[in-house]
Amino acid sequence: DAKTTQPTSMDCAEGRAANLPCNHSTISGNEYVYWYRQIHSQGPQYIIHGLKNNETNEMASLIITEDRKSSTLILPHATLRDTAVYYCIVREANDMRFGAGTRLTVKP
Amino acid sequence: EAQVTQNPRYLITVTGKKLTVTCSQNMNHEYMSWYRQDPGLGLRQIYYSMNVEVTDKGDVPEGYKVSRKEKRNFPLILESPSPNQTSLYFCASSLHRVGKNTEAFFGQGTRLTVV
Repeated sequence: DAKTTQPTSMDCAEGRAANLPCNHSTISGNEYVYWYRQIHSQGPQYIIHGLKNNETNEMASLIITEDRKSSTLILPHATLRDTAVYYCIVREANDMRFGAGTRLTVKP
Repeated sequence: EAQVTQNPRYLITVTGKKLTVTCSQNMNHEYMSWYRQDPGLGLRQIYYSMNVEVTDKGDVPEGYKVSRKEKRNFPLILESPSPNQTSLYFCASSLHRVGKNTEAFFGQGTRLTVV
């Protein structure tokens, strides 16, 4: 079973920030938080990951709460091409299990 | 360019006819895995491999076989396909250890239909 809880769907206006929450209250000390997205039926695409510090790359920012029980993926300026299913995964070794994810729809 | 290549992309076959879906990666990754994706069930792991000659079952291994004779290749074998194996299949690879630079790369997918 997936160890994360995400909203089923979210909408976001084009050009605005998209904030996607994820709860992982049972995360253990060695588990990283990973985010992937899947556009249509393409292969999932890696976005970002972190352990306890906030992370930023060219695609997104990842904010992890101090107790590590939840995190938020931030797409700073969402575009129509960001419409996808976003998966939050906690992972220690190579045990990568996908939940249902959040279907983000970016609207013009 | 770093990539995971699956072949074929689309396949329609008949029940019982053995088939192999190939997966190859050019990143010297130790870890490779196979997933299937079905509506309402999400991505489920079939098999994974930690390194050459090391494979293990995932969540839904029944009806599938894999082999890892070389680091770059991880074929998925359906000895006797059945209609309930109609699905979208993804191969993935990553470095073994979790930490920096351990993102997983996924192939483009193989849409298999068994009639």
